[in-house]
Amino acid sequence: GAVVSQHPSWVICKSGTSVKIECRSLDFQATTMFWYRQFPKQSLMLMATSNEGSKATYEQGVEKDKFLINHASLTLSTLTVTSAHPEDSSFYICSAPPGTYNSPLHFGNGTRLTVT
Amino acid sequence: EDQVTQSPEALRLQEGESSSLNCSYTVSGLRGLFWYRQDPGKGPEFLFTLYSAGEEKEKERLKATLTKKESFLHITAPKPEDSATYLCAVPKAAGNKLTFGGGTRVLVKP
Repeated sequence: GAVVSQHPSWVICKSGTSVKIECRSLDFQATTMFWYRQFPKQSLMLMATSNEGSKATYEQGVEKDKFLINHASLTLSTLTVTSAHPEDSSFYICSAPPGTYNSPLHFGNGTRLTVT
Repeated sequence: EDQVTQSPEALRLQEGESSSLNCSYTVSGLRGLFWYRQDPGKGPEFLFTLYSAGEEKEKERLKATLTKKESFLHITAPKPEDSATYLCAVPKAAGNKLTFGGGTRVLVKP
């Protein structure tokens, strides 16, 4: 079945530094990928849509300069949290649609970011 | 705006004690309803897609049903390994973006 791989699974960084998270579709091509954020005991909130070969589209309230998204190929999207602060600590999850419209999204295993 | 509400927020069950989780939705034209299971520290794992009222899907001890306003996830004779957070979601108007409910945290005690 379709597999989405996310790396790293966890990262700890100091306040003010930047962190890059990778999301790869392993056995299918994805022209779009989605980035979600999940705070403890809360549900997933969509942050942005990553579009291969073009700019990402961000949900309302998400700072595009803070969360840089690059979708350089049909199998890789990256999310860079710039100048991270403790309030950016969260669980970041990517997902990709493996095929036809309305086919279920497949999710990566998430990245736990802790900013100290 | 699409809204998805899940209840209860948390559910504690004894092993073998069947129960149901609710997912109520308000959407402008249903394009499917998805159920996912999420284990702690993991991404959501796809369970079911339902498209029309009256539809039912089953997988092991889980059965999902759909009406015009809500979906139920029935857990029959649960085992401790069924402990997880169960999420329902609906696609937004365009594309594959999902709106998730708040989830139901299920704990099954042996």
